[in-house]
Amino acid sequence: KAGVTQTPRYLIKTRGQQVTLSCSPISGHRSVSWYQQTPGQGLQFLFEYFSETQRNKGNFPGRFSGRQFSNSRSEMNVSTLELGDSALYLCASSRFTSGVSYNEQFFGPGTRLTVL
Amino acid sequence: AQKITQTQPGMFVQEKEAVTLDCTYDTSDQSYGLFWYKQPSSGEMIFLIYQGSYDEQNATEGRYSLNFQKARKSANLVISASQLGDSAMYFCAMRGPNTGNQFYFGTGTSLTVIP
Repeated sequence: KAGVTQTPRYLIKTRGQQVTLSCSPISGHRSVSWYQQTPGQGLQFLFEYFSETQRNKGNFPGRFSGRQFSNSRSEMNVSTLELGDSALYLCASSRFTSGVSYNEQFFGPGTRLTVL
Repeated sequence: AQKITQTQPGMFVQEKEAVTLDCTYDTSDQSYGLFWYKQPSSGEMIFLIYQGSYDEQNATEGRYSLNFQKARKSANLVISASQLGDSAMYFCAMRGPNTGNQFYFGTGTSLTVIP
């Protein structure tokens, strides 16, 4: 079974540009979450999508947005890039959770974004 | 609100020794899940072990075990017989229904295994 894939793996952009990152979850997983990881702030939750609907959202400005397609693939977009957006962006997928059993998230390799 | 606390920013352990990484949590949920992840220098987060709040026995996965003390709200990870490849960042995480099953992560512990 293929794992979570993210493209591109590395990206260099300049301030003011916009960027779109892509994530393909594990087959059968309908929940996709995005995280930003930086040395100073650690792992921060961006948003979660389930069945094409945003289910949870972290505390990030509106420049960060996302969407999920009917095949569960997800994209996140960052507009008007700032230097502080340089980070490792991780995508994770999981099966739907119900009852008292909580499914783990499986992470992709991440996209390392550098903003110059 | 959910909160995960990892108080050990860095830990060292001798190869083949056991090590305990601490994790405490705060939640108003009665039902929740606790997780540990490993992040090597390559960056990918690797799932290690899961403990459900209603599970009566501590979870084990190979050399990993989770010392779950519900009353103390702690979920410490124990790695037995440390190997050089265990050197990585380790994150404790939790999810529960009152926050839409969103994952909450701690700040992580950097483990270095010394030969």
